[in-house]
Amino acid sequence: EVRLVESGGGLVQPGGSLRLSCAASGFIFSGYSMNWVRQAPGKGLEWVSYIRSSSSIIYYAESVKGRFTISRDNAKNSLYLQMNSLRDEDTAVYYCARDLDGYWGFDYWGQGTLVTVSS
Amino acid sequence: QSALTQPASVSGSPGQWITISCTGTSSDIGGYNYVSWYQQHPGKAPKLMIYDVSNRPSGVSNRFSGSKSGNTASLTISGLQAEDEADYYCSSYTSSTTRVFGTGTKVTVL
Repeated sequence: EVRLVESGGGLVQPGGSLRLSCAASGFIFSGYSMNWVRQAPGKGLEWVSYIRSSSSIIYYAESVKGRFTISRDNAKNSLYLQMNSLRDEDTAVYYCARDLDGYWGFDYWGQGTLVTVSS
Repeated sequence: QSALTQPASVSGSPGQWITISCTGTSSDIGGYNYVSWYQQHPGKAPKLMIYDVSNRPSGVSNRFSGSKSGNTASLTISGLQAEDEADYYCSSYTSSTTRVFGTGTKVTVL
């Protein structure tokens, strides 16, 4: 069974940093590209970042470029999101989501972890 | 990259069919056959319903179908059921940032 479990969320002050993790199991993690997607309270989905299976290609949404860094450790079956210079508008539930292999879509999602940026 | 445009809400009676539109540009929906749709119930993670414009993942009811014409993609739900009441989001590949979601549509079963 494919499982994605996010962790690392919490309350942080504006300007602070936080590192999210996503533990993957039930599939060959090193064979799949991964994404972070967020959802502000009561709002829609916003794609945040993408990383290829080999980490060779990385993309970011304009709203987080220069502040967030996506990475992965295939040996540990884990995906990460380092978030720096956090702003109020970064408050959201952050999901990790797996790319559908060879097709367009995110086929598995974690349950999400809540990040609250507030003073 | 602006979000793709969806109607805020769509409603229908049980057994009816409804269609949710998702409008973009030639740089996203119109330029690629890379559209997917997601269903999200309150407090839950999104679920993939359609990929590559019109394909259903294993386990998704055939009451759900997808299509595309020009810069607009559509999700049709036929034989509407109470369990279909949820938020629905489209997503497309985009030449600017590679991935973008729609604004979301709340489906209400009357």
